Amino acid sequence: QSALTQPASVSGSPGQSITISCTGTSSDVGGYSYVSWYQHHPGKAPKLMIYDVSKRPSGVSNRFSGSRSGNTASLTISGLQAEDEADYYCNSYTTSSTVVFGGGTKLTVL
Amino acid sequence: QLQLQESGPGLVKPSETLSLTCTVSGASISSGGYFWGWIRQPPGKGLEWIGSIYYSGSTYYNPSLKSRVTISVDTSKNQFSLKLSSVTAADTAVYYCARVGGITMVRDRRFNYYYYYMDVWGRGTTVTVSS
Repeated sequence: QSALTQPASVSGSPGQSITISCTGTSSDVGGYSYVSWYQHHPGKAPKLMIYDVSKRPSGVSNRFSGSRSGNTASLTISGLQAEDEADYYCNSYTTSSTVVFGGGTKLTVL
Repeated sequence: QLQLQESGPGLVKPSETLSLTCTVSGASISSGGYFWGWIRQPPGKGLEWIGSIYYSGSTYYNPSLKSRVTISVDTSKNQFSLKLSSVTAADTAVYYCARVGGITMVRDRRFNYYYYYMDVWGRGTTVTVSS
């Protein structure tokens, strides 16, 4: 199975909105409503931000939202804050009950 | 409060077997409703799913690692473990254990598992493969 495709980096200024894409195939992102997103600060454990494409776990800011169109899922962060600077990963359920991650996107808050 | 803690050797020799254990506290693995998984991150690279296990012993593995991976569960100790054989320098990574959420669907009396999101993670443990 191939990793999901994410942009290597994105950037934005405080207060702005950014969107990170996650492109797969009909065997993963496009075939199931089972996509999740993680925030990963170096040296810490990853944190679940979105699951089932657009659901937020308890305690996650509503500035984070998820969506999907066809084989591409997206994570949008609105009202960008300095503490949002981190690496972001998507993952998806795939056929054969396996899981695949995206390559990761480094978010820089300017 | 649910917590996961990885443990095991930080240094493994090439061609040997990497063995890690994840101890779960604050919840019982045998309660069901979740899978339990291993994920790794090589230096400078992204996250890679290794595999997941249910308390009953059902397992799913990354196809690229399947021939070398074994994940097992010990419900009496509330632990699950990872064994990765024939390691090389490419297996050097931070290894995380995590609780894996999702849904079980029943069709034609058959259980279909759709578990994929990691909602609780351990802090990770660094494993270096070197002689």
